[in-house]
Amino acid sequence: GAVVSQHPSRVICKSGTSVKIECRSLDFQATTMFWYRQFPKQSLMLMATSNEGSKATYEQGVEKDKFLINHASLTLSTLTVTSAHPEDSSFYICSANSGGSATDTQYFGPGTRLTVL
Amino acid sequence: KQEVTQIPAALSVPEGENLVLNCSFTDSAIYNLQWFRQDPGKGLTSLLLIQSSQREQTSGRLNASLDKSSGRSTLYIAASQPGDSATYLCAVSRISGNTPLVFGKGTRLSVIA
Repeated sequence: GAVVSQHPSRVICKSGTSVKIECRSLDFQATTMFWYRQFPKQSLMLMATSNEGSKATYEQGVEKDKFLINHASLTLSTLTVTSAHPEDSSFYICSANSGGSATDTQYFGPGTRLTVL
Repeated sequence: KQEVTQIPAALSVPEGENLVLNCSFTDSAIYNLQWFRQDPGKGLTSLLLIQSSQREQTSGRLNASLDKSSGRSTLYIAASQPGDSATYLCAVSRISGNTPLVFGKGTRLSVIA
């Protein structure tokens, strides 16, 4: 089946630094990728929709200047958490759809655990 | 706004028992519904996907049903095993398969040997 990878799988950083997370579709092209965030014992919440070659669409309450998304190619989307703070510590997961059919399932990356000290 | 609720939040059963996990959603205008498994600290594994036109899907010991009009889905796990211990998430798509999913908080299942 389709595979989505994320890098890094785990990152610990100091408060005020920026962290970049990569999401790659390994064996298919994805014009759209989605970024979710999951706090402990909570549901996955959509942060933004990443569109190849255009600006990302952010959900209400998600700061676009803090969470920078770049979707420069059909196989790569990046999420940069700028000036990270402890409250940004979370599990970040991306997903991508493998084709144009509306029946296709979404494939999820393994997630990135961010800890901000 | 679509909201997805999963009951129970946690469940502990002895090995071999059959069990049912419940999922409800407020807006019946969904395109499809998926059940996922999430192990601690890990990503998501898709278990079953049910299109809005379908009533159920089966994979091995898993069976998922969908009653779109009442906004409900159930995941039936037969003959549970300790390896089934994980969090099970229900998610619905808003419009089509290429739109983001709305997730429930999950049911944390523990199967005791």
